[in-house]
Amino acid sequence: NAGVMQNPRHLVRRRGQEARLRCSPMKGHSHVYWYRQLPEEGLKFMVYLQKENIIDESGMPKERFSAEFPKEGPSILRIQQVVRGDSAAYFCASSPSSGQGIPYGYTFGSGTRLTVV
Amino acid sequence: AQTVTQSQPEMSVQEAETVTLSCTYDTSENNYYLFWYKQPPSRQMILVIRQEAYKQQNATENRFSVNFQKAAKSFSLKISDSQLGDTAMYFCAFIIQGAQKLVFGQGTRLTINP
Repeated sequence: NAGVMQNPRHLVRRRGQEARLRCSPMKGHSHVYWYRQLPEEGLKFMVYLQKENIIDESGMPKERFSAEFPKEGPSILRIQQVVRGDSAAYFCASSPSSGQGIPYGYTFGSGTRLTVV
Repeated sequence: AQTVTQSQPEMSVQEAETVTLSCTYDTSENNYYLFWYKQPPSRQMILVIRQEAYKQQNATENRFSVNFQKAAKSFSLKISDSQLGDTAMYFCAFIIQGAQKLVFGQGTRLTINP
């Protein structure tokens, strides 16, 4: 039973390019959470999605960032026109349904490290 | 505001020693869950131990135990008989029951020396 799969593991983009980060939740999980870890900091919540729905995007920057979780396929975190400040590790977690992951702290993927040059 | 504070940016101990990592948090809620995560250089977030706020008994997982003081909003992690493989960043976090967001501290970089 594969865990939460994120790819790519490392992504380098030039300023102004687009970054697409993918997250495949654990089998049977329909809820996905994205977190961002800036250098030397803890993880910060970005967005919570269910299949085809954004439930809570209160942690998402207002511009350039978007997320989706289509009916088929992985969840995508998209960053348009990247800037140096977007350089960070982006983590995805999943849970079977709302609330079921909470007592157990979720299972995280290994993250994607985005470097903007 | 819900916050987590880890006051020790870095710690270093000798192998086999016992080390305690500090964590305080702030919330007005009464029902929540507390966690310690380990993040080795591989970057994987590994759940070390968890505690339900409604339980007075401190959680224990092998060499890892917590000292949970609800009134003081304190949740420290004790690692006994430390091993070289314990070298990592350690993050304290909590989540409110019914909410979806984990709130993390800044982390403590722990180094175990041979």
